[in-house]
Amino acid sequence: QKEVEQNSGPLSVPEGAIASLNCTYSDRGSQSFFWYRQYSGKSPELIMSIYSNGDKEDGRFTAQLNKASQYVSLLIRDSQPSDSATYLCAVKSGLSGGYNKLIFGAGTRLAVHP
Amino acid sequence: GAVVSQHPSWVICKSGTSVKIECRSLDFQATTMFWYRQFPKQSLMLMATSNEGSKATYEQGVEKDKFLINHASLTLSTLTVTSAHPEDSSFYICSAQIQGGNSPLHFGNGTRLTVT
Repeated sequence: QKEVEQNSGPLSVPEGAIASLNCTYSDRGSQSFFWYRQYSGKSPELIMSIYSNGDKEDGRFTAQLNKASQYVSLLIRDSQPSDSATYLCAVKSGLSGGYNKLIFGAGTRLAVHP
Repeated sequence: GAVVSQHPSWVICKSGTSVKIECRSLDFQATTMFWYRQFPKQSLMLMATSNEGSKATYEQGVEKDKFLINHASLTLSTLTVTSAHPEDSSFYICSAQIQGGNSPLHFGNGTRLTVT
């Protein structure tokens, strides 16, 4: 089982719609969760971080965390073509010896069409 | 603005040569930096954790003698790919935390290495 799992997509949504990106993780001891956006050929940029159960909103982005279900999601409201990118879920491992390691999922490719 | 600077952004080298990649933290001190590698259409894979003033910690399967890491100051870590081969061609990205603990990683712009 992969440590961090995401659907590779592509997830195609029309402009103005809500895009929903999902991620599950295996390490129940994980405490920190991040969403990064990566445009093709570029390095990842941080979108959201979330540390406690529930929702966290920042502009058009909402991160949701459910530690009991080991599930974290990202909602993008009013999707724009410029949101088209690969979205990486990252979990800071709580594994022994890997305390500070950030483990990435394979990413979900989002395509927002006009 | 960028908090982590990486250089060069791209490099082409011949098989058998060595390539050095620099990663600098801007306006903050980073006792720990992280080196990732990303092959096309794949996720980021952690190669090693670079610790200022001590040896780097390498992930399983990463050859420490091939990927030399030096973290000689609080703002600079370097990765040297020694005796590069075409299979080492990849996107190498460094990262650092502004604060420790559970704070997020900030990434450099990455270095695209092509070995011919």
